[in-house]
Amino acid sequence: RKEVEQDPGPFNVPEGATVAFNCTYSNSASQSFFWYRQDCRKEPKLLMSVYSSGNEDGRFTAQLNRASQYISLLIRDSKLSDSATYLCVVTSTGSARQLTFGSGTQLTVLP
Amino acid sequence: DAGITQSPRHKVTETGTPVTLRCHQTENHRYMYWYRQDPGHGLRLIHYSYGVKDTDKGEVSDGYSVSRSKTEDFLLTLESATSSQTSVYFCAISVSQFGGTTDTQYFGPGTRLTVL
Repeated sequence: RKEVEQDPGPFNVPEGATVAFNCTYSNSASQSFFWYRQDCRKEPKLLMSVYSSGNEDGRFTAQLNRASQYISLLIRDSKLSDSATYLCVVTSTGSARQLTFGSGTQLTVLP
Repeated sequence: DAGITQSPRHKVTETGTPVTLRCHQTENHRYMYWYRQDPGHGLRLIHYSYGVKDTDKGEVSDGYSVSRSKTEDFLLTLESATSSQTSVYFCAISVSQFGGTTDTQYFGPGTRLTVL
């Protein structure tokens, strides 16, 4: 079983739609959680950290459920520029400074 | 912009050839990482460094070595490149946030390596 699992998609949604991505992780000792965004042929970039209480950054909302070891990302009012691959990331077993990355969920926002 | 550069950005080489990739950072961060990214596998850690001359293995270290003789430079070497090492290689640095309770990683632009 992979440490971090994501639905690879692709998710094809119309502009203005709301889309949700889910991620599960296997290491119950993970302390930090993130969503990264990766554009085609570019490096991953931090989108947002994920906190237990849930957090919002503009159109993006992240939720963490520690009991179910589940992370989600909700994007409201999708823009064409949101088209990218979204990576779920958690701290690795044994080290707070190592991260484990999911394989990513591909999103295409259609005009 | 986390001040990370990678060189070369693209390289084509032949099987059995040694290859060295360079990661350079300008902000004196202690932790540096090398990852490879392949379809279906996501990013996988090859090696990391927690200071000058201090390095350790990651998940997929076989066939790779690293060196860090200066804080700003972290080198990844493929001693004898194989076709299975064709990949995109990313360097990253770790930045402590929130009083050191959380580390966030920032990535360089990547190196596309093709081994024929």
